[in-house]
Amino acid sequence: NAGVTQTPKFQVLKTGQSMTLQCAQDMNHNSMYWYRQDPGMGLRLIYYSASEGTTDKGEVPNGYNVSRLNKREFSLRLESAAPSQTSVYFCASTPVGRSTEAFFGQGTRLTVV
Amino acid sequence: AQSVTQLGSHVSVSEGALVLLRCNYSSSVPPYLFWYVQYPNQGLQLLLKYTSAATLVKGINGFEAEFKKSETSFHLTKPSAHMSDAAEYFCAVSNYNQGGKLIFGQGTELSVKP
Repeated sequence: NAGVTQTPKFQVLKTGQSMTLQCAQDMNHNSMYWYRQDPGMGLRLIYYSASEGTTDKGEVPNGYNVSRLNKREFSLRLESAAPSQTSVYFCASTPVGRSTEAFFGQGTRLTVV
Repeated sequence: AQSVTQLGSHVSVSEGALVLLRCNYSSSVPPYLFWYVQYPNQGLQLLLKYTSAATLVKGINGFEAEFKKSETSFHLTKPSAHMSDAAEYFCAVSNYNQGGKLIFGQGTELSVKP
C-alpha cells in the first residue's frame, strides 16, 4: 500500500520557469491538500480539494494553481516560479469524516534560483 | 480564526529524561487537535489525536497528550526519551466544519543527548 506518492522528490528551477508537482493517493480518500513547509513557519495550506471536481484556496494560494484530475490525483502548478517559492511541498489526503487524520506524502524539495 | 502556538522551536533533553513539548491553540469552536512527527527528509506521521473523547490521549512510541480546555493547551509528553525520538514535532488544529484542513504550529525540533 503506497499511500500518498509525490513526484518529483527534488527539483531546481530557474526564476520564471514553470513546473507541475504530482500527487496520487491509493486510499480512496475524498479530500486532498497541498501544503508548503518553511523553517519556523510550520506547514501552510496552499490549496485543497474537498472532493473530486472541487478546489479551493488555502492560506497561501498566490502563485499556484491546482487540478483535481480524478479522485486519486491532485497536482500543483507553478506557472512562473519565484525564489519565494523555494520550499518543501507536501501533499496530503483525508477520508470522509470530521476528525480523521491526514496522510502525508514524502514531500518535494523545490529550489528556485 | 484558529491558531496554534508551539513554545520553543528547539528542545534538548538527555536520553531517559522527560520529554515535554508545549502546544497552545485558539479556536472559537471545539477543536480537533493533532500531534505529528517528522523525521529528517520524510513526510509527517500522526502521533496522536484528540477528538472530544478522552482528554488524555495515548499515541504511538510511548507519547501522550492531555487536552486542557481551561488552559487551551495540548502538550505532548513522554516519560523517558529515546535517541530515536529526535525529530521535528508539529501540533495542529482543525474543527468539525473545516473538513480535514489543518492549521499547524511552527514546529519544535527535539534533540536527544546520549
